Order: sequence, then structure tokens, then C-alpha cells
Amino acid sequence: DAKTTQPTSMDCAEGRAANLPCNHSTISGNEYVYWYRQIHSQGPQYIIHGLKNNETNEMASLIITEDRKSSTLILPHATLRDTAVYYCIVISNFGNEKLTFGTGTRLTIIP
Amino acid sequence: DGGITQSPKYLFRKEGQNVTLSCEQNLNHDAMYWYRQDPGQGLRLIYYSQIVNDFQKGDIAEGYSVSREKKESFPLTVTSAQKNPTAFYLCASKRDIGTSPYEQYFGPGTRLTVT
Repeated sequence: DAKTTQPTSMDCAEGRAANLPCNHSTISGNEYVYWYRQIHSQGPQYIIHGLKNNETNEMASLIITEDRKSSTLILPHATLRDTAVYYCIVISNFGNEKLTFGTGTRLTIIP
Repeated sequence: DGGITQSPKYLFRKEGQNVTLSCEQNLNHDAMYWYRQDPGQGLRLIYYSQIVNDFQKGDIAEGYSVSREKKESFPLTVTSAQKNPTAFYLCASKRDIGTSPYEQYFGPGTRLTVT
């Protein structure tokens, strides 16, 4: 699985858009980009995933660059409940996949 | 409601004792996973199971054991051989749907403290 690099921490004002970057320069053609988050003392929560195209759901948007070497998770109107650690993971769609979480980005929403 | 349950939420044990953590899912998912999380770190895979009566070691299986006798249950035993058992343990499941993308659903976790 491709390795990912994320900033250790970020702050965002409540009500503004939170943009969380992720670098995955060694991503291969059959690997997807997944985003999860973990609120303190809870299990991780799936947010969104994508392969090549930008994706949007009720929680967030995912922007993947054309060369697929990086992506950005966008929370359009951040709330205090969005304070969490956000994990970017790159995994293939085949075989005995296992989610290997790195240290992620600790996002703090400021009132 | 469909979901994954883990019990108990907090567990305390004395060093040298084996302890079993429960994980149950009613999502009809084929695959189940156990992860460990230490303070300030990401998750590490302990064991996973794709089907009933079959399971594979993850990255840190030493000192742990599992069983998968039923599709909905995947208990984890932390044995006395595990040198640093104090951690937050997370169970997850996913529906195997062939080559389509998937996502893992996580339980609320069990915080184990061994003294």
C-alpha cells in the first residue's frame, strides 16, 4: 500500500471550510484514497473515498489531483463536532486489504 | 439498528491474566478486524478474518489470539504473553463485495488497562 503524508495538526475557525491535505506520491493505479476520522475515545468513522474523480457526499468533498499524487479533504462548514484526528489512507481494492492508519492530522475547530 | 458492539467499554486486569474482548456485529459482514491504538499513534492491525473459521495474523499478532466460530462474532484474547497490553482496542467489519470499493465500520472500542 502507498504511504501517505499528512500535517500533524491544523486549526480551523467554526463555520469556515476546513481543507486537509494528504500526499501519496507513490500511489499506484488500482489504489483508492480513503478518509476516516476519529473523535476522541471513539472508533474511526468512514468519511469518503475516491479513485480518480472528485467525490462529494453529505459529510465532505474529496479533491484528487490529476496525477493522483495528492488529495484534499474539504469539510465545507466546519463545526465544533468536527474536531477529530483525520486519517488519509491509500489502499488497493483487491486482496486481503487491511487499513493501516498512520498518525493523521489533528484538526481543531476554533469557536 | 445495525452496527458493531464491543464490550466492555473499560476493562481492568492484573498482569499475568488472560482477558477476552468481545466484538459482535449484526451487519451481516463477512470480514472482521481487530486493531490496537496507543496514545498519540495510529491503528495497528492485530488479526483479521475474511470468513468463518478462518483468520490471519496482522502486523502485531504476538501475544493475542482470536476465534471466528460465528459470522457475527470475533472475540480477541489478550494473553499474558503480550508484553504491553494496555491500549485502546478497536474491532471493525466490512462487507466483502468482490472487487467493488468498501469501507470498514468500527465499533466504539474497549480501553484495556493492565496493572
